[in-house]
Amino acid sequence: DAGVIQSPRHEVTEMGQEVTLRCKPISGHDYLFWYRQTMMRGLELLIYFNNNVPIDDSGMPEDRFSAKMPNASFSTLKIQPSEPRDSAVYFCASSRLKTQYFGPGTRLTVL
Amino acid sequence: DQQVKQNSPSLSVQEGRISILNCDYTNSMFDYFLWYKKYPAEGPTFLISISSIKDKNEDGRFTVFLNKSAKHLSLHIVPSQPGDSAVYFCAASDPGSGTYKYIFGTGTRLKVLA
Repeated sequence: DAGVIQSPRHEVTEMGQEVTLRCKPISGHDYLFWYRQTMMRGLELLIYFNNNVPIDDSGMPEDRFSAKMPNASFSTLKIQPSEPRDSAVYFCASSRLKTQYFGPGTRLTVL
Repeated sequence: DQQVKQNSPSLSVQEGRISILNCDYTNSMFDYFLWYKKYPAEGPTFLISISSIKDKNEDGRFTVFLNKSAKHLSLHIVPSQPGDSAVYFCAASDPGSGTYKYIFGTGTRLKVLA
């Protein structure tokens, strides 16, 4: 299996622009998680889906953040408008049982 | 408020010696714990886990110990190897979620010196 795939790997944008991060989970996994990693807070869970349905979005920092999972093999995390404090590494993970498998992450820099 | 804490941001150990990474948690209802390892420019990878019904789980050079009364878990790596140099995250399962939602600590950077 190819593992969890994320794109792009790096994104540099200017404040106010829309940013879309993409994730393809491992085939057969029914849970999908979006995390953000920062030095101060470590790995923070933003939102997770079960069978394409959002279950818990309590970690989404603001209304500027939104996530979708239109089908079992694709999810997006959108930030609009982006701000410099959104700069971080964003990870997608998927699971079928208790172990979560992470993608390589997207490093976002908002100037 | 951090429910899972890794108070040591970094640790250096000589090759061949034991590495001990520590993690504290505040919620006594946590029932499942994991350790993940992360190399630069990669995503975290699962290392080892332990259920709250156990106090020890071993997998090769890696052993996780759980002390429920102290709300403390530790990861022991014996012997440490240079390839073990990475950031280690502990995570705890949030039973209130009813699913496999984890709360992660901030990580400890381990450096194994050759």
